[in-house]
Amino acid sequence: EPEVTQTPSHQVTQMGQEVILRCVPISNHLYFYWYRQILGQKVEFLVSFYNNEISEKSEIFDDQFSVERPDGSNFTLKIRSTKLEDSAMYFCASRSGQSDTQYFGPGTRLTVL
Amino acid sequence: KNEVEQSPQNLTAQEGEFITINCSYSVGISALHWLQQHPGGGIVSLFMLSSGKKKHGRLIATINIQEKHSSLHITASHPRDSAVYICAVVPGAGSYQLTFGKGTKLSVIP
Repeated sequence: EPEVTQTPSHQVTQMGQEVILRCVPISNHLYFYWYRQILGQKVEFLVSFYNNEISEKSEIFDDQFSVERPDGSNFTLKIRSTKLEDSAMYFCASRSGQSDTQYFGPGTRLTVL
Repeated sequence: KNEVEQSPQNLTAQEGEFITINCSYSVGISALHWLQQHPGGGIVSLFMLSSGKKKHGRLIATINIQEKHSSLHITASHPRDSAVYICAVVPGAGSYQLTFGKGTKLSVIP
């Protein structure tokens, strides 16, 4: 069964460094999402992406965040200058467009020191 | 902004018990997801429903759009059902920005 994959599973970085989190959505899906979950808190929407542009973004998704689909398979989330409060689990999800169901990746745990 | 509330926050059950987890929301939606989050953190989509009832194995999900309420039932619960169950709502009107509840942590004891 097709699945969303994410790499790395765990990323440790120093405050102020740039990180890129990678996702490979399900191959025929058209809509892509990033969510984050700070430890002990609920999952929060960051951004949605369709047709090579951002469709929606939350107030969390400020200028230090960017998303890109650099080729036909990858979908990336970049955090330009990480802060301690960016430490969280980041989930990628994708959706075909023929259904409202979103399929989630396993997540990347980002730890900012 | 949609407020999504789940109850209970924590639930401990004996193996074999029938379990109900509730979700209510404040603003009308187009659909609702029930998700399962494993101890390792991964999220699995269990159901997406916009009306009525869906069943998959021992899991049953219902939604009442008028009352802005959904329930997830687990029949004949098993220790492997131990996880956090999260409901998330789809606002509709072209938006698919999910709003999540805080989750219900279920522990099923043998």
